[in-house]
Amino acid sequence: GAGVSQSPSNKVTEKGKDVELRCDPISGHTALYWYRQSLGQGLEFLIYFQGNSAPDKSGLPSDRFSAERTGGSVSTLTIQRTQQEDSAVYLCASSSRQGMNTEAFFGQGTRLTVV
Amino acid sequence: GENVEQHPSTLSVQEGDSAVIKCTYSDSASNYFPWYKQELGKRPQLIIDIRSNVGEKKDQRIAVTLNKTAKHFSLHITETQPEDSAVYFCAASKGMGGNNDMRFGAGTRLTVKP
Repeated sequence: GAGVSQSPSNKVTEKGKDVELRCDPISGHTALYWYRQSLGQGLEFLIYFQGNSAPDKSGLPSDRFSAERTGGSVSTLTIQRTQQEDSAVYLCASSSRQGMNTEAFFGQGTRLTVV
Repeated sequence: GENVEQHPSTLSVQEGDSAVIKCTYSDSASNYFPWYKQELGKRPQLIIDIRSNVGEKKDQRIAVTLNKTAKHFSLHITETQPEDSAVYFCAASKGMGGNNDMRFGAGTRLTVKP
């Protein structure tokens, strides 16, 4: 594919509802990251997948957050019982572990608004 | 896990002046240090990176230095231009052979005044 693709680009949801955010990484990239960026803030690490290894979930802020990566490709980030403080841009990135090039390429993000 | 700290959080310079952003990291096993630029409303994009086997790297007006002993690295932008205005993020990872877990600093908002 051309790049990292995220969907939806925007999502407005009511407080208490569940949401699913999708990330299609660059084909062949074994590493996939999710970050959260609140307005004007930095990149908060959420979760990291590397190949078939167990994911690093150390950045997930609560048990309402979970993520899966099926078949080593597409990933979904699920937020259950959304709260207003979950409002942010959720960014996905992927990188290749092959060779020396480990640049992470970002998707355009999903802007989540919880009302 | 890795902890990356970045300073300053905001930086304002006059066009033509230099800008320096500094980062420190905690995990001595980290060996790959990229810098990303995020323009307003856009996704972060890589502008330069350095690996632990070199101490300095230059690309036109941008340079990055790495001090492995002190575990800090810096971004230097010379002859700044208004289009350099953006948020800059440093990151650290064990990209060469280790897990690619990449942690970012909190970002520096650079404003270049014309």
